[in-house]
Amino acid sequence: AQSVAQPEDQVNVAEGNPLTVKCTYSVSGNPYLFWYVQYPNRGLQFLLKYITGDNLVKGSYGFEAEFNKSQTSFHLKKPSALVSDSALYFCAVSLQGGHRGSTLGRLYFGRGTQLTVWP
Amino acid sequence: ETGVTQTPRHLVMGMTNKKSLKCEQHLGHNAMYWYKQSAKKPLELMFVYSLEERVENNSVPSRFSPECPNSSHLFLHLHTLQPEDSALYLCASSHKRGGRETQYFGPGTRLLVL
Repeated sequence: AQSVAQPEDQVNVAEGNPLTVKCTYSVSGNPYLFWYVQYPNRGLQFLLKYITGDNLVKGSYGFEAEFNKSQTSFHLKKPSALVSDSALYFCAVSLQGGHRGSTLGRLYFGRGTQLTVWP
Repeated sequence: ETGVTQTPRHLVMGMTNKKSLKCEQHLGHNAMYWYKQSAKKPLELMFVYSLEERVENNSVPSRFSPECPNSSHLFLHLHTLQPEDSALYLCASSHKRGGRETQYFGPGTRLLVL
């Protein structure tokens, strides 16, 4: 079975400090990996994804993530946090070949990590 | 805005009511999805839809019934719901190319079942 773990329910950092939101995954096959952010009363907003190639992926709002196949991790990072980064962050994985062998994709989500950046 | 709209944004219904959630995408995608987001739980995929295929999560109760009349619209028909069905229902869309395509989400419908 496919699964995603976000080991921290909450991450608190001071503005200007680097932030890391952790994600590990377990899949039977080669993964595609995604990060989404959710602000209060809003839907999920795409941040970045790893498909293939360079293990370091850069995304929106200065975020980046590094795919580590040996550690089955895809941690989200940002060098300098902003108060406006405070939100709920979701890691997700899908499989090459789609859902149940169809061409339709399926995302498996972690439980989310609440990031709070204080001034 | 992501190009995916959902109506209504908020819905309160009794257990005997029938209501429908609507999703519309303006991105030219050919696959659409319904997800359920409950507090403290991972997002749960309910249905995956394209005009040619429908894949569903077998654990979804029959009181939820999807309809996809064309590639731009997706409905979720609700009837005789239970209080535990109260949640945020999210619609998403993507191109239909296996798992590599990004799914774009609407703002969600916050459902409360009394």
